[in-house]
Amino acid sequence: GQQVMQIPQYQHVQEGEDFTTYCNSSTTLSNIQWYKQRPGGHPVFLIQLVKSGEVKKQKRLTFQFGEAKKNSSLHITATQTTDVGTYFCAGRQTGANNLFFGTGTRLTVIP
Amino acid sequence: EAGVAQSPRYKIIEKRQSVAFWCNPISGHATLYWYQQILGQGPKLLIQFQNNGVVDDSQLPKDRFSAERLKGVDSTLKIQPAKLEDSAVYLCASRSSGTTDTQYFGPGTRLTVL
Repeated sequence: GQQVMQIPQYQHVQEGEDFTTYCNSSTTLSNIQWYKQRPGGHPVFLIQLVKSGEVKKQKRLTFQFGEAKKNSSLHITATQTTDVGTYFCAGRQTGANNLFFGTGTRLTVIP
Repeated sequence: EAGVAQSPRYKIIEKRQSVAFWCNPISGHATLYWYQQILGQGPKLLIQFQNNGVVDDSQLPKDRFSAERLKGVDSTLKIQPAKLEDSAVYLCASRSSGTTDTQYFGPGTRLTVL
């Protein structure tokens, strides 16, 4: 079955440092989405990537979809305390109905 | 636009008891999902509805879990009887029809089974 792994599982950074989380799928994906979940909250949609090699930016966040459409990354430049939370990737296997969520990366930002 | 509503927000029961959760998706959203999120893990899909029909329930433990969406709007998820390992947050999400793939999540119901 499809598996979506993320590394690292946890990341502690000083405020102002950069942060990157990586997402790897065992199968080729038709698209990949990224969600953020604040402590005690629910997942909130950030972005969707569809094309091979696609790169999208949202202010300090940069999202990338791999050429083979099996991996993705999220990079945050100059982290702020508001970036705290768990970041999940979620991939849809080609032809499948549903999303498989990754294991998540929990980000802590030390002020 | 109102978001996805869920109730109750918290529930504590003893093992072997029954429990039901309710979800009202965003108005007009044809697709509804129930996810189980165990502490420290990502959401795991339990069941997906398209209007009032089941699209995918392959990961639903059907011996104890059931779900319905009779009128294609709100939905209920039931666990009967509950086990200790069912302790988790149960998230409902909805998605509109069309090309968008974005799922909108409700606040979830935190279930504790003692």
